[in-house]
Amino acid sequence: NAGVTQTPKFRVLKTGQSMTLLCAQDMNHEYMYWYRQDPGMGLRLIHYSVGEGTTAKGEVPDGYNVSRLKKQNFLLGLESAAPSQTSVYFCASSSWSVSYEQYFGPGTRLTVT
Amino acid sequence: KQEVTQIPAALSVPEGENLVLNCSFTDSAIYNLQWFRQDPGKGLTSLLLIQSSQREQTSGRLNASLDKSSGRSTLYIAASQPGDSATYLCAVRLRGVSLSGTYKYIFGTGTRLKVLA
Repeated sequence: NAGVTQTPKFRVLKTGQSMTLLCAQDMNHEYMYWYRQDPGMGLRLIHYSVGEGTTAKGEVPDGYNVSRLKKQNFLLGLESAAPSQTSVYFCASSSWSVSYEQYFGPGTRLTVT
Repeated sequence: KQEVTQIPAALSVPEGENLVLNCSFTDSAIYNLQWFRQDPGKGLTSLLLIQSSQREQTSGRLNASLDKSSGRSTLYIAASQPGDSATYLCAVRLRGVSLSGTYKYIFGTGTRLKVLA
């Protein structure tokens, strides 16, 4: 049982490049979340999903897109990276079966130059 | 709008001391509150989850309490150890009638704890 995994762990992009971050969970959780963590700002919700095939915007969705084609995977895409998107990105999952307790992945550190 | 505050932002204590970390929230209409630990460069590890109907939860040397009426939660760490050094974050899960409001967590910015040997 790996829990929540994220790929890649580190990435450096140039402004304007695109990339996709992959989150996978093996706990059969319904809900999945993407957060970014910046110094002094805490964790902020980018997008979330309440089930396969559904996504919704969080606090800071601009510049990001997401997809949840399979229940266990939640993808975060950056179509045209900007330096303001330099951050640490965390994926999390939860379920009603565990009282909506959130489980987090190890994070992806992204630098946009 | 729900706001979550953790004061102080940083705390240093000698080993063996009992300590309390604070978490305040502005809207008492919460579903639950979760305490996390984050080590430098790592993800968040769940420590304790308190449902809105509960007053406290305990795990080992950790005890978390919840007082919705005053908008406060505390995390009590007994007999602190250098290995407890980390950033501790609290997060509240909102309770709402709309789909868009029901599934969100609001995080505090954390308290960075250092336990000195």
